[in-house]
Amino acid sequence: AQKITQTQPGMFVQEKEAVTLDCTYDTSDPSYGLFWYKQPSSGEMIFLIYQGSYDQQNATEGRYSLNFQKARKSANLVISASQLGDSAMYFCAMILSGSARQLTFGSGTQLTVLP
Amino acid sequence: EAGVVQSPRYKIIEKKQPVAFWCNPISGHNTLYWYLQNLGQGPELLIRYENEEAVDDSQLPKDRFSAERLKGVDSTLKIQPAELGDSAVYLCASSLAGSDGYEQYFGPGTRLTVT
Repeated sequence: AQKITQTQPGMFVQEKEAVTLDCTYDTSDPSYGLFWYKQPSSGEMIFLIYQGSYDQQNATEGRYSLNFQKARKSANLVISASQLGDSAMYFCAMILSGSARQLTFGSGTQLTVLP
Repeated sequence: EAGVVQSPRYKIIEKKQPVAFWCNPISGHNTLYWYLQNLGQGPELLIRYENEEAVDDSQLPKDRFSAERLKGVDSTLKIQPAELGDSAVYLCASSLAGSDGYEQYFGPGTRLTVT
């Protein structure tokens, strides 16, 4: 069975600085997808970025980039130039390709951006 | 384009009472998911629909939980009777068929409090 581990319950970062949120995963399936979602206090899960297991390059979306290290089974999220609005809960998630389309989520990291 | 709509946003009930949550997915999305999110944890899948068919309900506690998706559009999740441990956020998500579920769009959730 697949598993996602986020070891940082909480993180603080100064506004305008970069921050890395850690995520490791465990699966024996060679084909999978990795996601990061942002959940502000309003509750809605907002899709940020996706990385496929066969993608050769790390995914980037604006200020978000995914540091994908397949051999280490890690998929860390890097947020550059942090903004106050980035303060939220961040979840790493995985889906196995061709499976029941079930997203498996980690326990999340609460990011607080300090002014 | 309208996002996933859920109602109510908040619900407070006494234990042993019934409760129902409603979800309207993004237009054209025929895959619909219900997730349970306990405080401080990531969401966990309860049930997945492909059109009207529940194709994965292995995590749904069928003794008290039920769901339906008549006509393959909006969906209702019901709990009867509710227990104190059901207090959580219930998230609905949708995705396009054929997208392999790679991008699920979430609604704002219904926060249930059972007293």
